[in-house]
Amino acid sequence: SQQGEEDPQALSIQEGENATMNCSYKTSINNLQWYRQNSGRGLVHLILIRSNEREKHSGRLRVTLDTSKKSSSLLITASRAADTASYFCATGSGNTPLVFGKGTRLSVIA
Amino acid sequence: DTAVSQTPKYLVTQMGNDKSIKCEQNLGHDTMYWYKQDSKKFLKIMFSYNNKELIINETVPNRFSPKSPDKAHLNLHINSLELGDSAVYFCASSTPRGGEDTQYFGPGTRLTVL
Repeated sequence: SQQGEEDPQALSIQEGENATMNCSYKTSINNLQWYRQNSGRGLVHLILIRSNEREKHSGRLRVTLDTSKKSSSLLITASRAADTASYFCATGSGNTPLVFGKGTRLSVIA
Repeated sequence: DTAVSQTPKYLVTQMGNDKSIKCEQNLGHDTMYWYKQDSKKFLKIMFSYNNKELIINETVPNRFSPKSPDKAHLNLHINSLELGDSAVYFCASSTPRGGEDTQYFGPGTRLTVL
């Protein structure tokens, strides 16, 4: 069954604003990843956060993980038009396959 | 330069036909995957191979048959295509370590069954 659920399904913001996407999951995890998918392309790995980590940064990306609430958030600061894409969370539980959510479609308007 | 490549990029065919999609990775990964992404963007794993050996086979009709001639290639053959097979199929590869599995995706093959 599907593990990750992103929220919101779609988000539209102005360039320069911050974008926040959330992911909730149901079972215990070893790690959680965020991927980006540009229209017509494959997914690209952005960042991985382990279950014993609470926050991680990579450039303009900030990911948090709250294992007690079984949720994660992805914050993109100072968004650009090029950030327009769908963003997926994927949960990893050791030897089981990654399970992807349905994604959040982000539109950044110039 | 391409890390994970798939051919063809687009595939349009009639119901009942048999078709194949090819995937190659030059990253030296030992695990390869096939995913299906439906019209609602839901990405679902179909198969996973590790060093040419099938390790994951989700509930996929047996009309779908993966073949891995070596660990750099994972092809997907589909028999008797149905309308519901229309989707984008993604190949991915990785080398899982310590429970962590960062995957690298191909560009996708958009299959349209008429």
